Amino acid sequence: GAVVSQHPSRVICKSGTSVKIECRSLDFQATTMFWYRQFPKQSLMLMATSNEGSKATYEQGVEKDKFLINHASLTLSTLTVTSAHPEDSSFYICSARGVGNTEAFFGQGTRLTVV
Amino acid sequence: AQKVTQAQTEISVVEKEDVTLDCVYETRDTTYYLFWYKQPPSGELVFLIRRNSFDEQNEISGRYSWNFQKSTSSFNFTITASQVVDSAVYFCALSDYSGNTGKLIFGQGTTLQVKP
Repeated sequence: GAVVSQHPSRVICKSGTSVKIECRSLDFQATTMFWYRQFPKQSLMLMATSNEGSKATYEQGVEKDKFLINHASLTLSTLTVTSAHPEDSSFYICSARGVGNTEAFFGQGTRLTVV
Repeated sequence: AQKVTQAQTEISVVEKEDVTLDCVYETRDTTYYLFWYKQPPSGELVFLIRRNSFDEQNEISGRYSWNFQKSTSSFNFTITASQVVDSAVYFCALSDYSGNTGKLIFGQGTTLQVKP
């Protein structure tokens, strides 16, 4: 089956620093990747959609300069939270979809804590 | 606009009881996909089922069953003879069909606690 690996699973960083989260499709080529955010005890909200080789499309209300998304290859997308603040603490989870697939497969998620 | 509503925030049952998790959706699309995911405390999303809007047949998989009623825009999930390991947050989700985008609109989630 399709495997999506997300790294790191947990990260703690200091306010003002940047942190990068990687999302890799291990056994298929991911033409499209999605990034979601989940605050504690809340639902998952789509942040952005990225297609390989092109700029990400951000959902309304998501700051593109704060959440930098790069999808430089067919197997890797990265989300960089720049100048992180405690309110950015959340669970971030990616999903990846390949050519012809009717569904996207989720990574394990990354729990970010900004102190 | 698309929307998924899971009216039950939390449900608590005793082991071996049956439990139904409700999901109501709104969409203007005539074709779409519906999903259920399980999210245990570890956080990862476990895929349970995908159903396209053409297929209204109910589905059973072991102790899990799903009832899709297009007339009422509902896609309810029943766990028969619940077990402690079923304790988790369950999400219902909706995606459009065009281009198989994979963008999911999630409901608010239902926290299920199964007590021994």
